[in-house]
Amino acid sequence: DVKVTQSSRYLVKRTGEKVFLECVQDMDHENMFWYRQDPGLGLRLIYFSYDVKMKEKGDIPEGYSVSREKKERFSLILESASTNQTSMYLCASSPQRLAESSYEQYFGPGTRLTVT
Amino acid sequence: AQSVTQPDIHITVSEGASLELRCNYSYGATPYLFWYVQSPGQGLQLLLKYFSGDTLVQGIKGFEAEFKRSQSSFNLRKPSVHWSDAAEYFCAVGAEDNNDMRFGAGTRLTVKP
Repeated sequence: DVKVTQSSRYLVKRTGEKVFLECVQDMDHENMFWYRQDPGLGLRLIYFSYDVKMKEKGDIPEGYSVSREKKERFSLILESASTNQTSMYLCASSPQRLAESSYEQYFGPGTRLTVT
Repeated sequence: AQSVTQPDIHITVSEGASLELRCNYSYGATPYLFWYVQSPGQGLQLLLKYFSGDTLVQGIKGFEAEFKRSQSSFNLRKPSVHWSDAAEYFCAVGAEDNNDMRFGAGTRLTVKP
């Protein structure tokens, strides 16, 4: 089974801190994604990556950056955390860009981040 | 870009009753359509998907969905709901020329005993 793991289930940080959320997948997938999930808004795409060292902005990239130095790892970085970044963060991966299988995304359990 | 609307935020059904969750999409070409389920404390799991062909697709856990191009809809159905189906359900749409998907706001399903 594909496994997507996220470094923390719960995280509490202070305003202004730099925050790293780590995601690792074990199925050699090319594509990786970061979403944030908020009640009434569903999942919104922050950033995605189709390959190592590649990144693309999603719908809400402001205040975030990403890093993909290795194929299996995709990190989301909050350069200076703010209270409006309190949310559930979900990482996902999928194989083979632009093949039908690439649309089946496998999700991690999520990290609930609280910024105080 | 593609987009999805799920008109119902919360639905309550009795155990054993039938279920239909609504999903409407917006996309100029043929969409790729998906339903995911999220149980409490879990990530999302794919229930079913539509790319082309037969407009009625079967998924896991007894779910099915029907693609209706004329109505821009991809509603999820189940003939008899079980208490374990209580979860949040997300409809998503993808496009053939990119790999990023758009998700709806979700519908929370409560199952009454």
